Amino acid sequence: GENVEQHPSTLSVQEGDSAVIKCTYSDSASNYFPWYKQELGKGPQLIIDIRSNVGEKKDQRIAVTLNKTAKHFSLHITETQPEDSAVYFCAAPPGGAGSYQLTFGKGTKLSVIP
Amino acid sequence: KAGVTQTPRYLIKTRGQQVTLSCSPISGHRSVSWYQQTPGQGLQFLFEYFSETQRNKGNFPGRFSGRQFSNSRSEMNVSTLELGDSALYLCASSPTAVGGEAFFGQGTRLTVV
Repeated sequence: GENVEQHPSTLSVQEGDSAVIKCTYSDSASNYFPWYKQELGKGPQLIIDIRSNVGEKKDQRIAVTLNKTAKHFSLHITETQPEDSAVYFCAAPPGGAGSYQLTFGKGTKLSVIP
Repeated sequence: KAGVTQTPRYLIKTRGQQVTLSCSPISGHRSVSWYQQTPGQGLQFLFEYFSETQRNKGNFPGRFSGRQFSNSRSEMNVSTLELGDSALYLCASSPTAVGGEAFFGQGTRLTVV
């Protein structure tokens, strides 16, 4: 099955700085890589995703990069704001699962210090 | 458009009891998946339904079961509750038959005492 590892587990940055979270996956057939943000008391919120035929995707201050050869993908948040403080999860489906079975990383708790 | 709705939000049960959790997906979404979230194990896949059929099941004991109705609403059931079943149970819905965006509800916080 798929194994997803996520680093770091905690990350503190000053407001305005950039934050980078990295994930590696094991199944070379995986083809979809979402990132979720979870705030206290809420369910995970999909913030950006990337498919295997694309190397990078940006949405305002958030970007995701994918290196299929190395089997890793990263979340980049620029100009961080206090409201970015949350737990972030990466995920990947087992290759060929043909369904919505996601394997999640253990999460990164991001703290943005005003 | 309304999001994924899970009921109840909070639940306290006693060991040995059973519990049923409900999930209403986003209108038009036909795939519903369930996850268990705990501090120790993180987010773990339970099972996924599409058009009333279970397509995949995670590595959980048979005490965990689910079903999906013709209107895509889903329920999951846990029988003979154990203390270790205390967790946040999350439901996610997706619009298509195969891999893509999954949108989560707020979850049901189950506490077993």
